[in-house]
Amino acid sequence: GAVVSQHPSRVICKSGTSVKIECRSLDFQATTMFWYRQFPKKSLMLMATSNEGSKATYEQGVEKDKFLINHASLTLSTLTVTSAHPEDSSFYICSAREQGTSTQYFGPGTRLTVL
Amino acid sequence: AQSVTQPDIHITVSEGASLELRCNYSYGATPYLFWYVQSPGQGLQLLLKYFSGDTLVQGIKGFEAEFKRSQSSFNLRKPSVHWSDAAEYFCAVGPDGDKIIFGKGTRLHILP
Repeated sequence: GAVVSQHPSRVICKSGTSVKIECRSLDFQATTMFWYRQFPKKSLMLMATSNEGSKATYEQGVEKDKFLINHASLTLSTLTVTSAHPEDSSFYICSAREQGTSTQYFGPGTRLTVL
Repeated sequence: AQSVTQPDIHITVSEGASLELRCNYSYGATPYLFWYVQSPGQGLQLLLKYFSGDTLVQGIKGFEAEFKRSQSSFNLRKPSVHWSDAAEYFCAVGPDGDKIIFGKGTRLHILP
């Protein structure tokens, strides 16, 4: 149980385009989902927290207009990187937490490369 | 400021040998503490967590960790490693299960 999927696993796009990444909790309802960014040889950095049906809460320094987060249902959250640039290239990881629990379950990550 | 330090970037042990991965944290109160493992192509998997109670925590895959408040440490141990344990290990701390701060990770290499 407690499986989280991400799609796509890898994406390459041209500079200036937008990319959408999906995060799904497959066997539980996730009232809260999280988006992280992982740089090479660095730890995970929390970008934002999203609760189902409400606006995401962004961490300091994260551009909310660039990284659009939608959590429209209890099993799906999406991260859209708008007008992507090469510096946005990174590994993006989502996680989900079931209501009433304190454990986050992580997706396998999405490798974004912006040319 | 809250922080997590994993002093060892790489650790190499022989298969069958014991393992200890170090983790120190800086936090105002007693935090929630976690150890996660990340294998290539797979998501972070929770090995164990500590919230309160017994300071020696048992996790999955034969791992355990001990919370030592006086040393602000939460070291991960395993008595005998297997080749499949080679991965990246992350220690994490937070006020609850949400705003988790991760360490930079320790890459574990296993010698045959």
